[in-house]
Amino acid sequence: AQKITQTQPGMFVQEKEAVTLDCTYDTSDQSYGLFWYKQPSSGEMIFLIYQGSYDEQNATEGRYSLNFQKARKSANLVISASQLGDSAMYFCAMREGRGYGGSQGNLIFGKGTKLSVKP
Amino acid sequence: DAGITQSPRHKVTETGTPVTLRCHQTENHRYMYWYRQDPGHGLRLIHYSYGVKDTDKGEVSDGYSVSRSKTEDFLLTLESATSSQTSVYFCAISEVGILEATRPNTEAFFGQGTRLTVV
Repeated sequence: AQKITQTQPGMFVQEKEAVTLDCTYDTSDQSYGLFWYKQPSSGEMIFLIYQGSYDEQNATEGRYSLNFQKARKSANLVISASQLGDSAMYFCAMREGRGYGGSQGNLIFGKGTKLSVKP
Repeated sequence: DAGITQSPRHKVTETGTPVTLRCHQTENHRYMYWYRQDPGHGLRLIHYSYGVKDTDKGEVSDGYSVSRSKTEDFLLTLESATSSQTSVYFCAISEVGILEATRPNTEAFFGQGTRLTVV
């Protein structure tokens, strides 16, 4: 079963506007971490933001915020005041916390959303 | 930037030949991962390691093997390359430990990627 679902293959947003990228996840664990990564056309993977399952407040990092709705199992990324440089692929990922040793470290990614910012 | 180096960065090989990709880190992180990235699939985990000589399979492990004889090196081997293994391969590292999925600063850092073409 797919554990991370990103339902938007592609998104367009006007420069300076806000945009929300959707991510839903599936886990039976109580302990888990959620991540967002950005991949520009140059190919590198850039970490953006992290949310722990026990964090009561939504994570924020500059223009990025994570809208964490635990009961709905969603972890949407909000980018405020979009810039042309935000055009990229965005990946949502999850790390589960159950168990000891190896299984606890597995980091699972969604298929990504391609964001295009229009001038 | 995290010290992760992948080699080679680009490789073209023939079907049926063995291929080894190397990931080297200077961060002394416990976890190391190999992913492949294909259009429409996002990043899929091939194998990962949670310590020297400790490895586990990921989602798409068939046709791949790994070894980790030192903390800093994680090798991915395609025993007999096939055209379906043409992909971009990413190595990643993370510091996360046991039951620490919800601890901040446990994001994975990625290498630059290796573009492998099997002809």
